[in-house]
Amino acid sequence: DAGITQSPRHKVTETGTPVTLRCHQTENHRYMYWYRQDPGHGLRLIHYSYGVKDTDKGEVSDGYSVSRSKTEDFLLTLESATSSQTSVYFCAIRRESHEQYFGPGTRLTVT
Amino acid sequence: AQSVTQLGSHVSVSEGALVLLRCNYSSSVPPYLFWYVQYPNQGLQLLLKYTSAATLVKGINGFEAEFKKSETSFHLTKPSAHMSDAAEYFCAVSPFTGGGNKLTFGTGTQLKVEL
Repeated sequence: DAGITQSPRHKVTETGTPVTLRCHQTENHRYMYWYRQDPGHGLRLIHYSYGVKDTDKGEVSDGYSVSRSKTEDFLLTLESATSSQTSVYFCAIRRESHEQYFGPGTRLTVT
Repeated sequence: AQSVTQLGSHVSVSEGALVLLRCNYSSSVPPYLFWYVQYPNQGLQLLLKYTSAATLVKGINGFEAEFKKSETSFHLTKPSAHMSDAAEYFCAVSPFTGGGNKLTFGTGTQLKVEL
């Protein structure tokens, strides 16, 4: 257990509405990541953070933004949700030994 | 640039048979390699990792993987499958240094274990 929680765990929202997903860690790790999982694609990196206020884009960052104002929290925002953003979203932290540990996921449905 | 190819999106084995899940990687720098398992409606759990210390890596639940640089492979094996091994398995690669240590995942292999 890497002490990672995600909220909400499930959300249904309408097209065009803003959505914010939260990832919280209890172990004070520097690196945090947001992935999305879709059938046939595995997990794809959306954004990651390497410290407070330090973030960078991943391979599927369009339509998403992130913020990290505290070490323990990493927020993912969909400014205007679209149906193509229906997915399962996973947050991860990276330990000093380089492996990443994942949260339980958030299932987002955009109708 | 880095990428991972998992050969076979679905693999079916009999209980007690050998499990072999294939992973080939491409990386411009020395890589870290990982195998993760995902049970239905759960997050990903780390099975094992290769970090250049030893080419044969042992993980949890009786799984192991061998790093073969000449073949750019990191196949996952288990001598005897159990019903509880049924899950989806993901191979992933990250650079040894730099790049935010971003993980690049394969598309996954669904393992089915039959009686």
